[in-house]
Amino acid sequence: ETGVTQTPRHLVMGMTNKKSLKCEQHLGHNAMYWYKQSAKKPLELMFVYSLEERVENNSVPSRFSPECPNSSHLFLHLHTLQPEDSALYLCASSQDTSGRVVETQYFGPGTRLLVL
Amino acid sequence: TQLLEQSPQFLSIQEGENLTVYCNSSSVFSSLQWYRQEPGEGPVLLVTVVTGGEVKKLKRLTFQFGDARKDSSLHITAAQPGDTGLYLCAGRQGFSFIFGKGTRLLVKP
Repeated sequence: ETGVTQTPRHLVMGMTNKKSLKCEQHLGHNAMYWYKQSAKKPLELMFVYSLEERVENNSVPSRFSPECPNSSHLFLHLHTLQPEDSALYLCASSQDTSGRVVETQYFGPGTRLLVL
Repeated sequence: TQLLEQSPQFLSIQEGENLTVYCNSSSVFSSLQWYRQEPGEGPVLLVTVVTGGEVKKLKRLTFQFGDARKDSSLHITAAQPGDTGLYLCAGRQGFSFIFGKGTRLLVKP
């Protein structure tokens, strides 16, 4: 148990569906991340929020839309996804001190997404 | 272009053997982390190395950061079946964390 929870753990959706992934951290951290983990590819950083502001957006398609309503919650809204978007989506959090992101990231268990 | 190369990609050994996995890059990182990930779970941080040449030990695991802060190694002594998993290295550049593809380790009893 890392203090970062993700729901749902598994999700199957069609290409026309709209769904949201939820992440919650109970560690008092102020930075949160979304990663995509695909088979045979490195973990890809998608979005970074620090102090509830998006500070990193690594050329992610607009069909992925993040939302960070407060420092404990992070959402990833999904719409009109493609089969190649099937992957494990991981959320992580860390403590950002004085504008610097500290190295220790705590990951949630991930949401396994299948797009049909 | 993959910035962090991990080798080997797969490693299958017998319990009690020693092993070393490598993480190499042409880029300089302000720090480098090693994680272990088990099936159905997220990566769990093992160690962070920050200073060039730094060596850290965690029980049977020894981590080293290269002098130029471009590469790192993880050495496991007397591997046990509980060490089985995917070992990931990640280098930090600004707000980004760049991950390698990982080394999948299987330790057979």
